Amino acid sequence: RKEVEQDPGPFNVPEGATVAFNCTYSNSASQSFFWYRQDCRKEPKLLMSVYSSGNEDGRFTAQLNRASQYISLLIRDSKLSDSATYLCVVSHRVRGSTLGRLYFGRGTQLTVWP
Amino acid sequence: DGGITQSPKYLFRKEGQNVTLSCEQNLNHDAMYWYRQDPGQGLRLIYYSQIVNDFQKGDIAEGYSVSREKKESFPLTVTSAQKNPTAFYLCASSIGWRSNQETQYFGPGTRLLVL
Repeated sequence: RKEVEQDPGPFNVPEGATVAFNCTYSNSASQSFFWYRQDCRKEPKLLMSVYSSGNEDGRFTAQLNRASQYISLLIRDSKLSDSATYLCVVSHRVRGSTLGRLYFGRGTQLTVWP
Repeated sequence: DGGITQSPKYLFRKEGQNVTLSCEQNLNHDAMYWYRQDPGQGLRLIYYSQIVNDFQKGDIAEGYSVSREKKESFPLTVTSAQKNPTAFYLCASSIGWRSNQETQYFGPGTRLLVL
């Protein structure tokens, strides 16, 4: 079973739409959770960390459900510039190490059209 | 300007040739990582290093080697033993053991193509 599972999409939405992405993770010991954004042929960039209480950054809202091992990202009022691949990422400690390892989902592709 | 740099942007490898990808960071991060990304796939961890002179195998280390002689640098060598090296290679760094902050920051990547 993969560490992180996401719906690959693609999601095609008009400008101004609200779109939601989900992912699930398999390791209940996972400690940190993130959404990264990756533009075509570029490196991933941190979009936001995800906290148990849920958190919001402008038009973006992230939620974490530890009991269900489920993470979500909601984008409101979509812009053309939101078109990208969104990577769900979880972290847990490597056995015998103080270092956290990141595990990446395959990404969900979003295209926002005018 | 602080950040992570990778070079070259594109690299062509001939059959049987070893090639080395450069990764440098000036963020004063202890931990560094190498990932490989194939089309439509998630990032897969090749090697990681928690501190200078230490490194550990990730999930797909076969056919690769690394060194960590300096804090700022973590070069990756793709050896001739790696039979399918064509991919997008991403280097990342994080603060590491000094912090609970596990966010990783990525360089711009190197695209490796086999001739």
